[in-house]
Amino acid sequence: QKEVEQDPGPLSVPEGAIVSLNCTYSNSAFQYFMWYRQYSRKGPELLMYTYSSGNKEDGRFTAQVDKSSKYISLFIRDSQPSDSATYLCAMSAGGTYKYIFGTGTRLKVLA
Amino acid sequence: EPEVTQTPSHQVTQMGQEVILRCVPISNHLYFYWYRQILGQKVEFLVSFYNNEISEKSEIFDDQFSVERPDGSNFTLKIRSTKLEDSAMYFCASSEADGRYGYTFGSGTRLTVV
Repeated sequence: QKEVEQDPGPLSVPEGAIVSLNCTYSNSAFQYFMWYRQYSRKGPELLMYTYSSGNKEDGRFTAQVDKSSKYISLFIRDSQPSDSATYLCAMSAGGTYKYIFGTGTRLKVLA
Repeated sequence: EPEVTQTPSHQVTQMGQEVILRCVPISNHLYFYWYRQILGQKVEFLVSFYNNEISEKSEIFDDQFSVERPDGSNFTLKIRSTKLEDSAMYFCASSEADGRYGYTFGSGTRLTVV
């Protein structure tokens, strides 16, 4: 089983839709969870970070962590064409400086 | 907004040659990282650097790789003898704390080994 799994997509939605992006993981030691957005040929851009379980909201974005299910989600409300990008989840066990990334989900928001 | 700057944006090198990838992290950040992304694959950790020494490295980061902070602003990744499989996007990142709040990544250097 891969340490972090993420559906590669592409996921196509109409403008204004609610988008749900997900990752599952196998390492129960993961405590720090990140979501990055990556546009083509650019570096990842940090969107959200969460620690342990729970929800966190920032504008149109909500991150959820369910450690009991080893499952994290990113919800995007009122999606815009400018949200079209690849979304990467990343996680770390703490006590380490490295993050393990998912392969990314490609999102297309259609105008 | 502060940025991590990487140069060059694209480098082509012959197999066996040495390359140096350069990065200017955000000025008040203390932790520095290199990651790479082979085309179509996931972003992979190479090395972290803090207080002028390597704090952690992956199994990818073998003796062919080295990092250096030669002055107060630059952070470099050197590959001594490049292989075809080193072709990838190399991302530099920095963070104020130990990465628990995430990193700021640069736009990357595309390394092509021919």
